Amino acid sequence: DAGVTQSPTHLIKTRGQQVTLRCSPKSGHDTVSWYQQALGQGPQFIFQYYEEEERQRGNFPDRFSGHQFPNYSSELNVNALLLGDSALYLCASSLGTLGEPLHFGNGTRLTVT
Amino acid sequence: GNSVTQMEGPVTLSEEAFLTINCTYTATGYPSLFWYVQYPGEGLQLLLKATKADDKGSNKGFEATYRKETTSFHLEKGSVQVSDSAVYFCALGRTGGFKTIFGAGTRLFVKA
Repeated sequence: DAGVTQSPTHLIKTRGQQVTLRCSPKSGHDTVSWYQQALGQGPQFIFQYYEEEERQRGNFPDRFSGHQFPNYSSELNVNALLLGDSALYLCASSLGTLGEPLHFGNGTRLTVT
Repeated sequence: GNSVTQMEGPVTLSEEAFLTINCTYTATGYPSLFWYVQYPGEGLQLLLKATKADDKGSNKGFEATYRKETTSFHLEKGSVQVSDSAVYFCALGRTGGFKTIFGAGTRLFVKA
């Protein structure tokens, strides 16, 4: 039973560039959430996708956008990267309308220089 | 607003010691409560959960009881092992939306 998979595992970008992170949910799950985890902090909610729609968004600027595909996989896009965007980006999947509990991937470590 | 506060770490224990990691929450309504664990280089894994007052979640020797009167969900284990060394996150769900709110995490070191 495949768990949540994320790619790439590590990424280094320059300030001002754009990045796309990818996530495949756990088999049978239909909901994908994205979280940002700064070093030494708890995950912060970016947004959640269900039925290809963003159904809730956290306190992140419009530079952060996403998409969910018909096969439930998802992408996170970040434009105009800032140094402060350096973090571990976690994808989590879940089943159904409650959206919990979450099953996490191992994350993408983004470094912005 | 809704939030989770957990004890600051790091917590350092010897093998077979008793573990308590405190967690309190602020929430409207009837939230669900979780403990997640993060091992080095990995994402978070659900450790245990409780969905209503007085429920006790348990897994792998860890336990936590949903206390609505004290708004707490403290994590306990009677005898820790070196393999329990990780970061533990208390989390809150069903707070009126779909997101799960996480505490800042508590790092646990267990010495042999």
